[in-house]
Amino acid sequence: ETGVTQSPTHLIKTRGQQVTLRCSSQSGHNTVSWYQQALGQGPQFIFQYYREEENGRGNFPPRFSGLQFPNYSSELNVNALELDDSALYLCASSSQGGRSSPLHFGNGTRLTVT
Amino acid sequence: DAKTTQPNSMESNEEEPVHLPCNHSTISGTDYIHWYRQLPSQGPEYVIHGLTSNVNNRMASLAIAEDRKSSTLILHRATLRDAAVYYCILRAPFNTNAGKSTFGDGTTLTVKP
Repeated sequence: ETGVTQSPTHLIKTRGQQVTLRCSSQSGHNTVSWYQQALGQGPQFIFQYYREEENGRGNFPPRFSGLQFPNYSSELNVNALELDDSALYLCASSSQGGRSSPLHFGNGTRLTVT
Repeated sequence: DAKTTQPNSMESNEEEPVHLPCNHSTISGTDYIHWYRQLPSQGPEYVIHGLTSNVNNRMASLAIAEDRKSSTLILHRATLRDAAVYYCILRAPFNTNAGKSTFGDGTTLTVKP
């Protein structure tokens, strides 16, 4: 089975720009969640998508938005980038969004905002 | 959100058992307890999860307190490859913002040869 893949692996952007990060779910998984991980800290939940609908959101402003496609792959979009957005962005898929479903993470996209 | 508390760091000797504690005093009756670990430059890796009963798999064992306010991840024989940051999180029911799994800063496990 194919694991979770994220692209690109690294990205450098300038403050004020927009960025799109991509995630392919593990085969058979219909739920995707996104996390932001600052250096030395644990992942922080951004939002979750189930069957193309957002069904959970953390404490992130509206300039963080997402999409899930019919094949369950997903995108994270960040507008008006700020320096504090520099972080590792992780995507995780699961067979359902529920409590008994393990999260399967990709290796992330390292975003640097200058 | 229900939060978890873990020690910042722990050390172990190779081939000895390791007990990693986690406190989750505000856990609700329907939350599952999940454990993940993260190696440098990688995403977190699922280790084990449980609800009320102790659980075993090929990687580790999970011991859950009777009142469910704490749990312990047990690595039976630590190896150098087990050196990682270990996270304990709670996963809520699907229809209640289930994805909002709150990660703390985890426990950094150092394994000495």
